[in-house]
Amino acid sequence: GAVVSQHPSRVICKSGTSVKIECRSLDFQATTMFWYRQFPKQSLMLMATSNEGSKATYEQGVEKDKFLINHASLTLSTLTVTSAHPEDSSFYICSARDSAQARYEQYFGPGTRLTVT
Amino acid sequence: AQSVTQLDSQVPVFEEAPVELRCNYSSSVSVYLFWYVQYPNQGLQLLLKYLSGSTLVKGINGFEAEFNKSQTSFHLRKPSVHISDTAEYFCAVSETGGGNKLTFGTGTQLKVEL
Repeated sequence: GAVVSQHPSRVICKSGTSVKIECRSLDFQATTMFWYRQFPKQSLMLMATSNEGSKATYEQGVEKDKFLINHASLTLSTLTVTSAHPEDSSFYICSARDSAQARYEQYFGPGTRLTVT
Repeated sequence: AQSVTQLDSQVPVFEEAPVELRCNYSSSVSVYLFWYVQYPNQGLQLLLKYLSGSTLVKGINGFEAEFNKSQTSFHLRKPSVHISDTAEYFCAVSETGGGNKLTFGTGTQLKVEL
């Protein structure tokens, strides 16, 4: 149980285009999902907290107009990188909190490798 | 605000030897503590967590960690490592009364050699 999937696992896009990454909780409902960014050989940095049915909460320094987050259902959150640039290339990881479990339980997806050329 | 320090960026160790990965945290409130493992190009897998109670926490794959409040540490240990333990290990903290936002350390690369 408690499986989180991400799609795609890898994506290459051209500079200036937009790319959407999906995060799904497969066997539980998640009112809250988190989006992280990880640079090579570095830690995970929280980008935003995604709440089902409401606007996402972005961390300081994260451009909300560039990283659009939509959490339209209890099992799906999407991150859209708009007008992507090479500096947006990174490993994006989502996590989901099971609504039926304690607040500290958080399950991570396998990550999406984004390369902008 | 909280922070996590993992002093060792890399730890090489021979197979079947014991290992300790160090983690220190800073917070003005009560926290939960976590250790995660990340294999190349994969997401994070929870190894163990400290919520309350016994300060010695046992996790998966033979790992354990001890919470030391006075030293604000949560070091990860394994008495005998295996080649398959080669991975990146992250220590993380979240406030007990907060929104479950995790703050991660910079990670420790454990490299197990024959």
